Amino acid sequence: GAVVSQHPSRVICKSGTSVKIECRSLDFQATTMFWYRQFPKKSLMLMATSNEGSKATYEQGVEKDKFLINHASLTLSTLTVTSAHPEDSSFYICSASRGSPGVSPLHFGNGTRLTVT
Amino acid sequence: EDQVTQSPEALRLQEGESSSLNCSYTVSGLRGLFWYRQDPGKGPEFLFTLYSAGEEKEKERLKATLTKKESFLHITAPKPEDSATYLCAVQANKQAAGNKLTFGGGTRVLVKP
Repeated sequence: GAVVSQHPSRVICKSGTSVKIECRSLDFQATTMFWYRQFPKKSLMLMATSNEGSKATYEQGVEKDKFLINHASLTLSTLTVTSAHPEDSSFYICSASRGSPGVSPLHFGNGTRLTVT
Repeated sequence: EDQVTQSPEALRLQEGESSSLNCSYTVSGLRGLFWYRQDPGKGPEFLFTLYSAGEEKEKERLKATLTKKESFLHITAPKPEDSATYLCAVQANKQAAGNKLTFGGGTRVLVKP
């Protein structure tokens, strides 16, 4: 069964508003979660690493003020797309590992399809 | 910089027609190579992890192999339900990398009945 839950699966918002996406690890604690973005028929691009209890680490070119990440507990990370614009429309996917880094594979949520009108 | 290249981009197969997908990689010390399956509108589903050259893993009609430069995903006698995008990803053997994965562009497989 699913080990990572993501919510909502789809969201439509108006330009200028903010949207929050939740990622939960089910029945395990995740000190680190990862947020990816995927464009149609393209591969996954890592946006940021979410660290429980500390600041997220953003990949080069990702605006940290636009994509706010909060990892407030060992089972929950949130991604907030602030002041969304149509170009932010995309498929956002989170992931987490059950075990120690480098030992266990990453498991992914089912993604959130964001459409900004 | 770690790089992963998958080929072909798309593959159309008849049911029962076996084929192989390629994943070429460049990484400064491989910690692990991962294969995932992704259905449209869903997140990737984990298939295999390979750690060292010569290693092989099997699951139903899928078999993954690894060399020092590439990995293959063999699909034997595929069925329509094997239609999906198959993603390859590598994890570098760097302390700072954590669980960070670098993905290839994927191979879209369509199996026709």
